[in-house]
Amino acid sequence: RKEVEQDPGPFNVPEGATVAFNCTYSNSASQSFFWYRQDCRKEPKLLMSVYSSGNEDGRFTAQLNRASQYISLLIRDSKLSDSATYLCVVKSWNRDDKIIFGKGTRLHILP
Amino acid sequence: EPEVTQTPSHQVTQMGQEVILRCVPISNHLYFYWYRQILGQKVEFLVSFYNNEISEKSEIFDDQFSVERPDGSNFTLKIRSTKLEDSAMYFCASTGTGGPDGEQFFGPGTRLTVL
Repeated sequence: RKEVEQDPGPFNVPEGATVAFNCTYSNSASQSFFWYRQDCRKEPKLLMSVYSSGNEDGRFTAQLNRASQYISLLIRDSKLSDSATYLCVVKSWNRDDKIIFGKGTRLHILP
Repeated sequence: EPEVTQTPSHQVTQMGQEVILRCVPISNHLYFYWYRQILGQKVEFLVSFYNNEISEKSEIFDDQFSVERPDGSNFTLKIRSTKLEDSAMYFCASTGTGGPDGEQFFGPGTRLTVL
């Protein structure tokens, strides 16, 4: 099983719709979780951290399910500017402490 | 707004040559990172650096790679003898008082092309 796995997409979604995608991780010792967005040929930028209790930031909601080892991102009322690749990032605070990026899910918001 | 800067934006080199990629992290940040992203692939962690030493590194970061913070502002990645497979985008990142769990601010990247 890959360490961090995401559906590569693309998700083609009409403007204003709600879209959700998941990310699964294999290391049960993983401690910190993040969603980044990356525009084409640009650097990743932090979208939000993911907390155990779930968290919301405007139109974006992130959830963590430790039992099933996945995190999710929900985008409501999607806008054209949401078109990007969304990267799941997992950090493990153990002896082999490391930071692992998923390959990303491509999202296209259609006018 | 403070930002991470990287130079050059694009570096072309011959296989076997040494390259140094430069980064200027945000000035009050304490943790520094290098990542690479081969075209069309995922971002891969290379190394983290804190308190003037490497705090962790990945399997990719072998003896061909080294990092340095020579003057308190620059953070460099050196590749001693480049290989074709080193061609990638290299991103530098830094975090501040939030520590390793804080928001990582990425630079715009250096595109390395090895011929």
